[in-house]
Amino acid sequence: AQTVTQSQPEMSVQEAETVTLSCTYDTSESDYYLFWYKQPPSRQMILVIRQEAYKQQNATENRFSVNFQKAAKSFSLKISDSQLGDAAMYFCAYRSRDDKIIFGKGTRLHILP
Amino acid sequence: DTEVTQTPKHLVMGMTNKKSLKCEQHMGHRAMYWYKQKAKKPPELMFVYSYEKLSINESVPSRFSPECPNSSLLNLHLHALQPEDSALYLCASSLYFTGKSYGYTFGSGTRLTVV
Repeated sequence: AQTVTQSQPEMSVQEAETVTLSCTYDTSESDYYLFWYKQPPSRQMILVIRQEAYKQQNATENRFSVNFQKAAKSFSLKISDSQLGDAAMYFCAYRSRDDKIIFGKGTRLHILP
Repeated sequence: DTEVTQTPKHLVMGMTNKKSLKCEQHMGHRAMYWYKQKAKKPPELMFVYSYEKLSINESVPSRFSPECPNSSLLNLHLHALQPEDSALYLCASSLYFTGKSYGYTFGSGTRLTVV
């Protein structure tokens, strides 16, 4: 079975600085998809960024980028120029071939003004 | 329309009540999902519907009964719930079921309290 591990329950970063959230996963599949979701206090889960395992190029969405290391099964999220609105719970997620999305336990990110 | 709409936003029900949660999307997504999220925990998958047919049931107790009347609507019928069923119930949809790199679009959830 697939597992997703986020080893940082909480992190803090100064506004305008850069922060990296860690995620590792375990799978025997060769073809899969990885996501980072953000859940602010409003509760809605918002897709931040996605990565297809067969693509070597790291995904980027504006201030958000990932460092995808397939051999190491690592999928970290880098947030540049952190803003107050980035404060939220961030979940790393794995989508398997049978369409189950498995979430890590989450990292709560605090932005310090 | 790029949203998944869930109603009600909050629900308080007694253990003998029958209630339903509703989820609607008009994005043409053909897969819809129910997730349960306890406080400070990640969402846990309950059910998956693909093309209006139930394709995954994660061993959910029968007091939760899903229904997909059409491609835009997903219901979760609740009956004889227990206090430990109190949680945030999230609905999500996805363009396709399996084999695609699309993420889910989530609704903002129904906060359920069982008293």
